Amino acid sequence: QITLKESGPTLVKPTQTLTLTCTFSGFSLDTYGVGVAWIRQPPGKALEWLALIYGDGDKRYRPSLKNRLTITGDNSRNQVLLTMTNMDPVDTATYYCAHRNPDYYYGLGVWGHGTTVTVSS
Amino acid sequence: SYELTQPPSVSVSPGQTATITCSGDVLPKQYAHWYQQRPGQAPVLVIYKDTERPSGIPERFSGSSSGTTVTLTISGVQAEDEADYYCQSADSTSTYPYVFGTGTRVTVL
Repeated sequence: QITLKESGPTLVKPTQTLTLTCTFSGFSLDTYGVGVAWIRQPPGKALEWLALIYGDGDKRYRPSLKNRLTITGDNSRNQVLLTMTNMDPVDTATYYCAHRNPDYYYGLGVWGHGTTVTVSS
Repeated sequence: SYELTQPPSVSVSPGQTATITCSGDVLPKQYAHWYQQRPGQAPVLVIYKDTERPSGIPERFSGSSSGTTVTLTISGVQAEDEADYYCQSADSTSTYPYVFGTGTRVTVL
């Protein structure tokens, strides 16, 4: 059974750096075609993809946020980290990590419950 | 373009059929997936590769594709189907491996 769980601060100040951790089980990031994606959802708004790390270590970032985002994987700890620099109130959102499943033609088959981050001074 | 456009809302009576469209230039070249998001919950994959249903998803959920539009159909709508629905695809250059639609709120009357 695949599970993912997000963790991190619930409140950050403007200009600070946010670090979120996605702890997963039930799959290995080493598996070909597998990946972990980060997605966020501002209150009352649509889903927005942020970053993706593939099983081979390749990474992709949302172009408009590329300069602020870093995604890293730690296979030994079954974790994927997302850092976002220079946080702003517009970054207030629920942040999700999700499993990229080759069996579902790379759809996001399992999501974590999400973690809510508020950016405020 | 990297945009996927959905109608903001769809209303349907119980037992009737709900149809949700998703339009985008990438859709003739890339498969689409659909996610259901109930209030306060994480999204759930309900259709992948335009028409396939993951295990555990009821048969009343189906998908289709034609040109620049993909469609999610919910037949015999139940009260529990009231949720937001998002289509998702990818751009053809892999710059955007995940592009989400604007979302559709399905209301069961």
